[in-house]
Amino acid sequence: DAGVIQSPRHEVTEMGQEVTLRCKPISGHNSLFWYRQTMMRGLELLIYFNNNVPIDDSGMPEDRFSAKMPNASFSTLKIQPSEPRDSAVYFCASSNGQGSYNEQFFGPGTRLTVL
Amino acid sequence: AQSVTQLGSHVSVSEGALVLLRCNYSSSVPPYLFWYVQYPNQGLQLLLKYTTGATLVKGINGFEAEFKKSETSFHLTKPSAHMSDAAEYFCAVSDSNSGYALNFGKGTSLLVTP
Repeated sequence: DAGVIQSPRHEVTEMGQEVTLRCKPISGHNSLFWYRQTMMRGLELLIYFNNNVPIDDSGMPEDRFSAKMPNASFSTLKIQPSEPRDSAVYFCASSNGQGSYNEQFFGPGTRLTVL
Repeated sequence: AQSVTQLGSHVSVSEGALVLLRCNYSSSVPPYLFWYVQYPNQGLQLLLKYTTGATLVKGINGFEAEFKKSETSFHLTKPSAHMSDAAEYFCAVSDSNSGYALNFGKGTSLLVTP
């Protein structure tokens, strides 16, 4: 299995631009998670989906952030407009099963820099 | 709501020495506990997890952790450190009330010196 795939791996953009991060979960997994990692705040859960339906988006920082999962094999996290404080590493993870004890498999992350 | 505290943001050990990374949690219901490792420029990888049953959990790469309910702790240990163990280690907690979400600690950076 290829694991969780994220693209791009690195993104540098200017303040005010739209940024779209992409994630392909492991085939057969029914839960997908978006995390943000910064030095100051550590790893924060932004949103998670179960069977393509958003379950909890309380971690999404503000309306500039949106996430979609149009099908079981693809999800996007969009920031519009981007700001320098959005600079972070964004991870996508997926898991199989209904329980909160299931292992989450992480992608390699997208390092976002907003100038 | 549950939370995790990792004591020590940086830990340094000599190669061959005992590794001990500390994690304390709070949860109003029985917790599920995890340790993940992150190597530079990579995603997180599961080392081990505790759900129910035996409180001493063995994971990959020779690591193990013990769930101690009375101390609300889940410390990670390895008898003998290798240079390849140098990485960032995250403790995480979830429970039946949190749905699928993992709540991570701030992480502990492990440095292994020759």
